[in-house]
Amino acid sequence: DIQMTQSPSSLSASVGDRVTITCRASQGISNYLAWFQQKPGKAPKSLIYAASNLQSGVPSKFSGSGSGTDFTLTISSLQPEDFATYYCQQYKTYPLTFGGGTKVEIK
Amino acid sequence: QVQLQESGPGLVKPSETLSLTCTVSGGSISTFYWSWIRQPPGKGLEWIGYIYSSGSTNYNPSLKSRVTMSVDTSNNQFSLKLSSVAAADTAVYYCARAPSGSLLDHWGRGILVTVSS
Repeated sequence: DIQMTQSPSSLSASVGDRVTITCRASQGISNYLAWFQQKPGKAPKSLIYAASNLQSGVPSKFSGSGSGTDFTLTISSLQPEDFATYYCQQYKTYPLTFGGGTKVEIK
Repeated sequence: QVQLQESGPGLVKPSETLSLTCTVSGGSISTFYWSWIRQPPGKGLEWIGYIYSSGSTNYNPSLKSRVTMSVDTSNNQFSLKLSSVAAADTAVYYCARAPSGSLLDHWGRGILVTVSS
């Protein structure tokens, strides 16, 4: 299985901050990488696919980059509705695997 | 807009079989892949497997011996059975659509299943 490692596991940030989350794959996955946002008690919401493509309706403050084994999710200006847990997921090979999550909290 | 809704018992006894159904509305179940994913309380996400509308399946090897998925195209539903459950199977179970088999674009709200006597 491909292991996905996210860092940090949690972070505290203020409204308006720029936030970057990192995801590393245990082997190369090209750009077969997705990002999800999950709020407490809710289903994950798809944000980005193919490492850098925004899903329809996702605001442009979210951006993704990377290829191979190293990827980043950036939120350009953190807003109150962005406080959540973010997961990366590889879909290069089965079984599909997810990172451990990064919880973004209010400072 | 496609919507998914999980249903089934919220409590299952150890060693018994967990059975869940996902009902799809706002779109046809045909020509898509449909996945199950679970999340133990306070933990991360684990992909259980997928079923295509034709009935072909792909399961996570870690659960393969205990998982069975089926599809009912006439009712726009697909189902999950997980046998011989234990406390470690306690989780929120999600169903999701995967247009190409791997990219999960629409998710249900999830259902908490507790394994306890």
